[in-house]
This record gives sequence, structure tokens and C-alpha cells, in this order.
Amino acid sequence: QQQVKQSPQSLIVQKGGISIINCAYENTAFDYFPWYQQFPGKGPALLIAIRPDVSEKKEGRFTISFNKSAKQFSLHIMDSQPGDSATYFCAAEASGGYQKVTFGTGTKLQVIP
Amino acid sequence: GAVVSQHPSRVICKSGTSVKIECRSLDFQATTMFWYRQFPKQSLMLMATSNEGSKATYEQGVEKDKFLINHASLTLSTLTVTSAHPEDSSFYICSAGGWDEKLFFGSGTQLSVL
Repeated sequence: QQQVKQSPQSLIVQKGGISIINCAYENTAFDYFPWYQQFPGKGPALLIAIRPDVSEKKEGRFTISFNKSAKQFSLHIMDSQPGDSATYFCAAEASGGYQKVTFGTGTKLQVIP
Repeated sequence: GAVVSQHPSRVICKSGTSVKIECRSLDFQATTMFWYRQFPKQSLMLMATSNEGSKATYEQGVEKDKFLINHASLTLSTLTVTSAHPEDSSFYICSAGGWDEKLFFGSGTQLSVL
């Protein structure tokens, strides 16, 4: 599988702060980039996704920034809350890939009060 | 959002026995479902793609005779771990392909083989 590199591996943020997770990919055929949130013992849940025709997408406190030329994208969580504490996975998929997604390595986020 | 139900959530079995895990899409039809394996603190590793009415496609290194996948209807896929051994202990997760590229995940099954 093509790699999607994700950093940092873990992140501690104070309540109210901004959490930033970065991902980079190599396969230029990727054209759909979702982010998933996973709580312990649960399956991942789609958080937000972006396609390369836009450079930014915002949904509530969550924003994806996308840099097509650098082949990088990031997740920003504004006003981070303790309830946001979870593991976040970036992912990538190519059109015609029939939803065969390549996942990043994951970032464990802890938001402290 | 769409709901994917996965059962059981946790199973403990003896070495050498077989375990079946079910994955159901409750409010939509999914021609394609996926099975993943996840080790502690690691990412999801795709094991196989399950297509309704046809044979599953397995990823390189995944033993198809050990991990039997059946996708008999548009709402149900099953993964059977045959002759399970302790090294098969893991968190198994299914997902179902919905609309607009979206994937919906089950809640996972923690398999412990004694």
C-alpha cells in the first residue's frame, strides 16, 4: 500500500488550545483525504474530509488545510476540549479505488483541563 | 450518519477453535465491505475487500484460508477466523462503503485467543 505519513505520534494540548496534526502522501493519484477519530475500543468515525480542488475545509471546530503542491494536509482542532481526546487518523484514497483507503499511522491526542 | 453494526464486540476463545464476526449495514446497502486488523497503538491494516456475491480480495500476506470472508447479501459480511491461535489475537474492524466515497465503520471486535 502507498504510505501516508502522519505526525506527531502523540500530542498533548491544553483545553482551549489548537491541536494540529500533519500528514503527507506520495501517491499523486490520491484525491480524497478523510480524517477519522477513534476512541479506545471503538471503530473509527469519519470526522471531516477534503478533495484537492479546495485548499481548506471547515466544519465547526475542525479544519482541514490542504497543500496539493507539497502533497501535505493537516487537521486543526480549534478550542480543543477534553472530549476531543482520541486517536486521529488521516487517510487517502484514489478515485476508482472503491473506497480502499490508506491510513496514516495515527496521532493520540490528549486534551488536558 | 449511517450505522454499521459489528458483533460480537469481544470474544475469547480457545486455541484451535473458529470464530465468526458479523458486520451489518443497518440502514443502507453496501456492495463493498472491508475488514481491517488493528494492533494496540497502531493503525488499521486492510486485510481484505469483501464484494457482495463474489469472492473477497485479500491483501498481500493475509491467509485467505485462515480468514474466511463471506458477503452473502448487501447488508451482511462475515469474517471467520479459522483454527485461531494466540497470534491471531487482535482488534478486528469492518467498514462498509456508503455514498460519496464515505466509509462507515463498525465498533470493532476484540479477539483474544487463549
